Amino acid sequence: EVHLVESGGGLVQPGGSLRLSCAASGFTVSSNHMTWVRQAPGKGLEWVSVIYSGGSTYYADSVKGRFTISRDNSKNTLYLQMNSLRAEDTAVYYCARSPAAIIDYWGQGTLVTVSP
Amino acid sequence: EVVLTQSPDFQSVTPKEKVTITCRASQSIGSGLHWYQQKPDQSPKLLIKYASQSFSGVPSRFSGSGSGTDFTLTINSLEAEDAATYFCHHSSSLPWTFGQGTKVEIK
Repeated sequence: EVHLVESGGGLVQPGGSLRLSCAASGFTVSSNHMTWVRQAPGKGLEWVSVIYSGGSTYYADSVKGRFTISRDNSKNTLYLQMNSLRAEDTAVYYCARSPAAIIDYWGQGTLVTVSP
Repeated sequence: EVVLTQSPDFQSVTPKEKVTITCRASQSIGSGLHWYQQKPDQSPKLLIKYASQSFSGVPSRFSGSGSGTDFTLTINSLEAEDAATYFCHHSSSLPWTFGQGTKVEIK
């Protein structure tokens, strides 16, 4: 059974950093494209970043240069390093498996709040 | 960037009624359009992939159609448990984008 568990969210001041983790089970992270999607409170879904199975990484313009997606194959875990955080980055962050570019399974999400 | 526009934004429906949600893309995306259901305080769940293919375990009352720029999600015979927000999503090119969502309420 595919299972994704995010952690690492919390309250951070503007300009600060956080690293989100996503522990996967039931499949191999490195064999799949993996994605981060966020949802601001009461708002819609916004694609943030993807790491392809081959290792290529891509980002939304809104986070390019500030966020870094990576994975640890030995831990079967996906990460999102978030630097220079802004108030508009406040959201629930979901990690998701995305084989063949279809987001088929999502984690439960972790809340990131950027506030003084 | 492909912009996805859903209509309507909100729909109030009685049980057993048919629901139709549309998603229009700002440029042709072939069949690279997927539909998700999100209930309050839950993560989204995949319903339909590649415009018309049902995802494993999804009830047969959910179906999708369309290609190019115009797509439709249909819920036949709505059930109370279908109260949720529905999103379309494209992955035909980067950046991936989502529609703004359609909230379906049960009368």
